[in-house]
Amino acid sequence: GAVVSQHPSWVICKSGTSVKIECRSLDFQATTMFWYRQFPKQSLMLMATSNEGSKATYEQGVEKDKFLINHASLTLSTLTVTSAHPEDSSFYICSAPSAVPYGYTFGSGTRLTVV
Amino acid sequence: GENVEQHPSTLSVQEGDSAVIKCTYSDSASNYFPWYKQELGKRPQLIIDIRSNVGEKKDQRIAVTLNKTAKHFSLHITETQPEDSAVYFCAASLANAGKSTFGDGTTLTVKP
Repeated sequence: GAVVSQHPSWVICKSGTSVKIECRSLDFQATTMFWYRQFPKQSLMLMATSNEGSKATYEQGVEKDKFLINHASLTLSTLTVTSAHPEDSSFYICSAPSAVPYGYTFGSGTRLTVV
Repeated sequence: GENVEQHPSTLSVQEGDSAVIKCTYSDSASNYFPWYKQELGKRPQLIIDIRSNVGEKKDQRIAVTLNKTAKHFSLHITETQPEDSAVYFCAASLANAGKSTFGDGTTLTVKP
């Protein structure tokens, strides 16, 4: 079946530094990638939608200059958290429409801790 | 935009009993409704889904019903087992837009 590989699975960084998270579709082409954030014991909140070859679409309230999204190829989308702060600590997870109509494949998620 | 409400937020049942989780959505254009099971620290796993042209779908102990008129859909788990304990999320999607709006989740605990 369709697989989305997400790396790293967890990362600890110092406040003020940047962190890059990668999502790769392994056996299908992902022209679209959805990026979600999940705080502890909360639901998944859509942050942005990336489309290959064009600018990402950000949800209301999400700072596009802080969460940089790049979708340079049909198999790779990246999320960079710039100048990270402790309040950015969260579980970040990507999802791509898979080959099956209406189906979605999730990455394994990245646990970000900013200290 | 789409708004999805999910109830209850927590549900505790005895092993072997049934569990029902309900969701309502606001956008009548939504046409795809997946249910996900998420264990602690792991990615959501699709357990069942239903499309707007179907009223009910069943897969072994799991079933989902959809009422388009009332804009609500429900997850039914029968003969619950301790390994069913997890957080369950419903979602509503617009097929053309692709993105999903998730409910707030239900923490299901199945007591042995």
